[in-house]
Amino acid sequence: AQSVTQLGSHVSVSEGALVLLRCNYSSSVPPYLFWYVQYPNQGLQLLLKYTTGATLVKGINGFEAEFKKSETSFHLTKPSAHMSDAAEYFCAGVLGGNEKLTFGTGTRLTIIP
Amino acid sequence: NAGVTQTPEFQVLKTGQSMTLQCAQDMNHEYMSWYRQDPGMGLRLIHYSVGAGITDQGEVPNGYNVSRSTTEDFPLRLLSAAPSQTSVYFCASRYSETQYFGPGTRLLVL
Repeated sequence: AQSVTQLGSHVSVSEGALVLLRCNYSSSVPPYLFWYVQYPNQGLQLLLKYTTGATLVKGINGFEAEFKKSETSFHLTKPSAHMSDAAEYFCAGVLGGNEKLTFGTGTRLTIIP
Repeated sequence: NAGVTQTPEFQVLKTGQSMTLQCAQDMNHEYMSWYRQDPGMGLRLIHYSVGAGITDQGEVPNGYNVSRSTTEDFPLRLLSAAPSQTSVYFCASRYSETQYFGPGTRLLVL
């Protein structure tokens, strides 16, 4: 079955520490993959996306993600966390050749001062 | 461009009432969709449309109707609201492979 799995519904990191949010996918064809961020009481904002080509993609606010086909992963990273990064992050994918966007269940990121 | 707009921002309904959530986009995107967001479940697709006059069901369509008479507008109708429909509803439009989301409508059904 086509799916997106986010490991860890809550992640806490100290300010200045590395942020790592995990996402794995299952798709019968090469996927398109996305990370969205949602700040409290707001809509979803696109952070970055992978479609084809370079497997390391850079997004807004210093985030980046690497598409690893062998590991079926698309983990999101940021070298140094800021307080403003506190939000919920969603991994999503266009999987299995259909046009629909499938979401993971989200990871809430908390930054510890 | 205003992007994707949604009205109302908040709504409280009583069980059995009907209402329409409005969604509009000014980017001339053909593909539009409606999602609901519930805690711990991510976003789930309710209905989508690939162009004016064409709609189809998503993952959780029961209790909701849609129509698409113009490229710009994609309203979502709740025919008889139930407490299980308490949620945050997001409309999105798509250009190429990327979906762009509206600010959401927060719905409480008592």
